[in-house]
Amino acid sequence: DAGVTQSPTHLIKTRGQQVTLRCSPKSGHDTVSWYQQALGQGPQFIFQYYEEEERQRGNFPDRFSGHQFPNYSSELNVNALLLGDSALYLCASSLAMRESNQPQHFGDGTRLSIL
Amino acid sequence: AQSVTQLGSHVSVSEGALVLLRCNYSSSVPPYLFWYVQYPNQGLQLLLKYTSAATLVKGINGFEAEFKKSETSFHLTKPSAHMSDAAEYFCVVSDPGSGYALNFGKGTSLLVTP
Repeated sequence: DAGVTQSPTHLIKTRGQQVTLRCSPKSGHDTVSWYQQALGQGPQFIFQYYEEEERQRGNFPDRFSGHQFPNYSSELNVNALLLGDSALYLCASSLAMRESNQPQHFGDGTRLSIL
Repeated sequence: AQSVTQLGSHVSVSEGALVLLRCNYSSSVPPYLFWYVQYPNQGLQLLLKYTSAATLVKGINGFEAEFKKSETSFHLTKPSAHMSDAAEYFCVVSDPGSGYALNFGKGTSLLVTP
């Protein structure tokens, strides 16, 4: 039973560039959430996708966008990269939002470094 | 929005000693609470989750947490620390107001000394 998988594991970009991160949810899960974890900090919620739509969004600018595909996998896109976007980006999957207390399962993350 | 506060950004214990990591929540309604652990260069692993069925919650690797409504606390404990317990621990609350998105505490780094 495959868990949450993310790609790539590491990525180096320069300021102003654009980046796409990918996530495949755990088998049987249909909801995907993205989090940003800056060095030495707890993860911060970016947004959540369910039924191919963004359902909830945290306090992140429009430069951060996403997509969910019919197979429940998801992408996180960040435009006009800033130095402050350097972080570990975590994807988490869970059962449908109606299962409110179902835990979210995390991937190992993508380490994004901005030069 | 619901939030949690973790007391102590770093905790150091000797191998075999009691582990106590403190967490307080702010919620006027029954919260959805979790503890997650993050080992170096890895993602987050669920240790345990609170359900209203029991105030004492048992998790993996010998950890447990007690929900105390009167103290708005959800402290994590383990009777005897092992070297492999060294990691970052996060107390987390799930916010129904934002689609059950997770709000993380700032984390507590646990160091276990021989």
